[in-house]
Amino acid sequence: GENVEQHPSTLSVQEGDSAVIKCTYSDSASNYFPWYKQELGKGPQLIIDIRSNVGEKKDQRIAVTLNKTAKHFSLHITETQPEDSAVYFCAAGGLYDYKLSFGAGTTVTVRA
Amino acid sequence: DAGVIQSPRHEVTEMGQEVTLRCKPISGHDYLFWYRQTMMRGLELLIYFNNNVPIDDSGMPEDRFSAKMPNASFSTLKIQPSEPRDSAVYFCASSSGAGEQFFGPGTRLTVL
Repeated sequence: GENVEQHPSTLSVQEGDSAVIKCTYSDSASNYFPWYKQELGKGPQLIIDIRSNVGEKKDQRIAVTLNKTAKHFSLHITETQPEDSAVYFCAAGGLYDYKLSFGAGTTVTVRA
Repeated sequence: DAGVIQSPRHEVTEMGQEVTLRCKPISGHDYLFWYRQTMMRGLELLIYFNNNVPIDDSGMPEDRFSAKMPNASFSTLKIQPSEPRDSAVYFCASSSGAGEQFFGPGTRLTVL
């Protein structure tokens, strides 16, 4: 099955700085890569996703890049704000298989 | 739409008791997923349904766990008998199959 590794496990950044989280996956058949944000006491919420036919996608302060050859993808958050503090999960899945395999999560803390 | 609804939000029970977790997916979504989240194992997919039919239950830990979806608007995850190692947060998610999975708020289960 798919194995997703996520780094780092914790990340502390100064408000206004950028945060980068990296993930690798094992199954070359995976072609859907979402990122979820989980706040304390809540369920994960999708913040951005990318499919394998695209190398980069951006939504305001959030961007995701995908390197299918190397089987890794990254989340970039620019101009971080205190409300960006949360746990972020990457995941990988197939186009016709709706199962998602999740990374272990990254706890992001934005220091004011 | 109210989003995915789960009940109860918290459940405390004693070892050996039966536990039933409930989920109401978003109306119109054909896919329903049950996940378990623990510090040690992260977010694990237990089972998922398509059009009320179980498609993949390979993540169900053992025979003590069972899940049903009697209709498009209701699903249950049952643990009988419960054990302390079942303590976790259980999430239900639903999807229209287009990629994004919408998670409920979760049920925090504590087995004493």
